[in-house]
Amino acid sequence: NAGVTQTPKFQVLKTGQSMTLQCAQDMNHEYMSWYRQDPGMGLRLIHYSVGAGITDQGEVPNGYNVSRSTTEDFPLRLLSAAPSQTSVYFCASSLQGGRTEAFFGQGTRLTVV
Amino acid sequence: EDQVTQSPEALRLQEGESSSLNCSYTVSGLRGLFWYRQDPGKGPEFLFTLYSAGEEKEKERLKATLTKKESFLHITAPKPEDSATYLCAVQNFGNEKLTFGTGTRLTIIP
Repeated sequence: NAGVTQTPKFQVLKTGQSMTLQCAQDMNHEYMSWYRQDPGMGLRLIHYSVGAGITDQGEVPNGYNVSRSTTEDFPLRLLSAAPSQTSVYFCASSLQGGRTEAFFGQGTRLTVV
Repeated sequence: EDQVTQSPEALRLQEGESSSLNCSYTVSGLRGLFWYRQDPGKGPEFLFTLYSAGEEKEKERLKATLTKKESFLHITAPKPEDSATYLCAVQNFGNEKLTFGTGTRLTIIP
């Protein structure tokens, strides 16, 4: 049982480049979410999904897109990377949103230069 | 707007020296309060969920308690392997989102 798998673990982008952070879970969880973690800021919600075909914005959605075509996958797209998007990104999944424990991936450390 | 404040930001203890971490919260209707542990370079790992004031949960050397305004994570006779950042999060009735605090970085010195 792999849990939540994020790829890549590390990435360096140039300003203006686009890329997709991958997230997959094998627990058949309906709820998936993306957070960014910055020093002194805590984990902040970017986007979330309550099921396949349904997504919504979190606290800091600007500059990011998501889609949820399957229960298992929830990719996060950076449209035009900016230095302010340098952060550690975590994907999480849970059975019923915040009502049940969230399982987190190992994170993607992104640097935008 | 939901808010979570954790204190202290960092705590250094000798092995065996018990202490408590604090999580103060403001939420219009608390559905649940969550504690997570995060090791360097890893994602947060779930520890506890508390749902109502007066509730307590224990796991090994950790005990979490909840009041109407705050939660405590008590660490009894800690060991070096308890060193980590401990995160607190709340969920409000009516939405699916978790609001996290900035964490307490705990270091246990052998």
